[in-house]
Amino acid sequence: EDKVVQSPLSLVVHEGDTVTLNCSYEVTNFRSLLWYKQEKKAPTFLFMLTSSGIEKKSGRLSSILDKKELFSILNITATQTGDSAVYLCAVGSNYKLTFGKGTLLTVNP
Amino acid sequence: GAVVSQHPSRVICKSGTSVKIECRSLDFQATTMFWYRQFPKQSLMLMATSNEGSKATYEQGVEKDKFLINHASLTLSTLTVTSAHPEDSSFYICSARDLLGSSYNEQFFGPGTRLTVL
Repeated sequence: EDKVVQSPLSLVVHEGDTVTLNCSYEVTNFRSLLWYKQEKKAPTFLFMLTSSGIEKKSGRLSSILDKKELFSILNITATQTGDSAVYLCAVGSNYKLTFGKGTLLTVNP
Repeated sequence: GAVVSQHPSRVICKSGTSVKIECRSLDFQATTMFWYRQFPKQSLMLMATSNEGSKATYEQGVEKDKFLINHASLTLSTLTVTSAHPEDSSFYICSARDLLGSSYNEQFFGPGTRLTVL
């Protein structure tokens, strides 16, 4: 059975801090790893990673995948209160995505 | 582009009634749509994969006679929760994969439907 484990489950930081969210996985037929941000409604897409060692960046967010260690991290620098959300990691294998439980990030002013 | 809508956004019903939720891809064609369920403070759990013109594939533990899925066109899939009970109260989210999408796994999510069964 495919498994995706995220850590920490929750995190509280102050504005301006840098955070690192972790995602490890065990899946058969790995195709890609995706990060999503979920506020009150459905998830919004952040990144998709398919190759090891290539960092993807979007503004203050960046992510990298290690296919040897079956691991990915999502970094957020200079956090803002608007970054408060649940961050979901999902791994795609064949036709479907398997989601982790998410990391609840709270950024306090 | 790649917008997915769901209707209704929220529904409250009495125990024993059936509820239909629609999922539409608005600006692309989706051969495959996925239905997820999310309980409070839990992650998204895949319920079933819906392929246009064929029967849905249900995940283990999901009752196909209770959660009826129809995917009659490339832009519409419906999920009907039959004889709903309070334990079916949850957030139901659909997603769609673009027929011409660049990535096999990239899915676009609808805004979700909050179902409350009294």
